[in-house]
Amino acid sequence: GDSVTQMEGPVTLSEEAFLTINCTYTATGYPSLFWYVQYPGEGLQLLLKATKADDKGSNKGFEATYRKETTSFHLEKGSVQVSDSAVYFCALSDQGGGYQKVTFGTGTKLQVIP
Amino acid sequence: NAGVTQTPKFRILKIGQSMTLQCAQDMNHNYMYWYRQDPGMGLKLIYYSVGAGITDKGEVPNGYNVSRSTTEDFPLRLELAAPSQTSVYFCASSRTGDAGELFFGEGSRLTVL
Repeated sequence: GDSVTQMEGPVTLSEEAFLTINCTYTATGYPSLFWYVQYPGEGLQLLLKATKADDKGSNKGFEATYRKETTSFHLEKGSVQVSDSAVYFCALSDQGGGYQKVTFGTGTKLQVIP
Repeated sequence: NAGVTQTPKFRILKIGQSMTLQCAQDMNHNYMYWYRQDPGMGLKLIYYSVGAGITDKGEVPNGYNVSRSTTEDFPLRLELAAPSQTSVYFCASSRTGDAGELFFGEGSRLTVL
């Protein structure tokens, strides 16, 4: 079945540091890929998405590129801020099973210190 | 801009009690979902619905029930609460055809003692 594996956290960075959170996936078809962010005490919010190979999703300075050859969708940001502290979830969506099935990774907690 | 609204935000139950978590969305989405989030485990799908009157089981449905009488509402019923159901529950919705673009509520934290 489908699965998503992302790097374990927590990840602690200083403000303005470069961020990479690794995500790899297993899927039988041609899934869409997503990054969601969860701020403390809130629900998940869609951060960015990519629907086909080589697509780059971007939002709020975050980027991720759909790499079919390496089955990866790593999240990057050039300069993190304290306000980026949150839990980040990689996810894939597959139309299998007759509904919009979404499979989530276990989440990576990011803490940015001033 | 209500989006997806969940109630209650917090609840403590005793073993064996029952309760209903409410979920409502005002975006006219056909698809609705219930997830539970346990520490370090990501999100697990409990039940989902593709439209009013249609529901189906997800990965972890045991101990739960749902109904979908209207497009807007998707309540989750816990019967005979057990400590294993201590978790944070999220309701989500999505448009038909926008696979993976989920809109989440703020969550309901349930503790069973």
